[in-house]
Amino acid sequence: DIQMTQSPSSLSASVGDKVTITCRASQSISTSLNWYQQKSGKAPNLLIYAASSLRSGVPSRFSGSGSGTDFTLTISSLQPEDFATYYCQQSYIMPPWTFGQGTKVEVK
Amino acid sequence: EVQLVESGGGLIQPGGSLRLSCAASGFGVSNNYMSWVRQAPGKGLEWVSLINSGGGKYYADSVRGRFTISRDNSKNMLYLQMNSLRAEDTAVYYCTRAPMVLRGVRQYYWLDPWGQGTLVTVSS
Repeated sequence: DIQMTQSPSSLSASVGDKVTITCRASQSISTSLNWYQQKSGKAPNLLIYAASSLRSGVPSRFSGSGSGTDFTLTISSLQPEDFATYYCQQSYIMPPWTFGQGTKVEVK
Repeated sequence: EVQLVESGGGLIQPGGSLRLSCAASGFGVSNNYMSWVRQAPGKGLEWVSLINSGGGKYYADSVRGRFTISRDNSKNMLYLQMNSLRAEDTAVYYCTRAPMVLRGVRQYYWLDPWGQGTLVTVSS
């Protein structure tokens, strides 16, 4: 199975900061990489699909990049509602599809 | 509006069985890939199972042979039959759709939307 490793596991940031989260796959997955945001006690929500496509309705301060094994989620200017946990997920070829372990973005 | 609503969770003893249901609205389960994802308390997300539009079924190693995914096209419902439950199956179970886009020769899938989740607790 393809393993997904996110870094860091957690980070502290302030409103207005630029935040970068990385995700590394154990083998090449082309651009079959998605990003989700999960707030405490809620279901995850899709932010980015196919590595860099922004889901309709998601603010443009979120962006994704990368291909092969290395991917990045960037929040250009952190807003109060962005404090949450973020997960990457690969959907390369057929399942099993795997998630990263998550990155918790906390208030500094 | 595209929506998913899970039900069927609860407290069950180890070794027992439970069937989760997911009611879909705003789209048809029959012509979509549908998936279950779970999250143990305080832990990350774990993909569990998927059924594709052709009826093909896929499972995580941790549940293969114990869980069965199915759908009822007439009721627009997705199910997860869970047998031989273990303490480590304790989690919130989410139902989700896996849309696809074709770019060139490659198919891209993601999980959207998600239901609100249903809690399964396996304990004596």
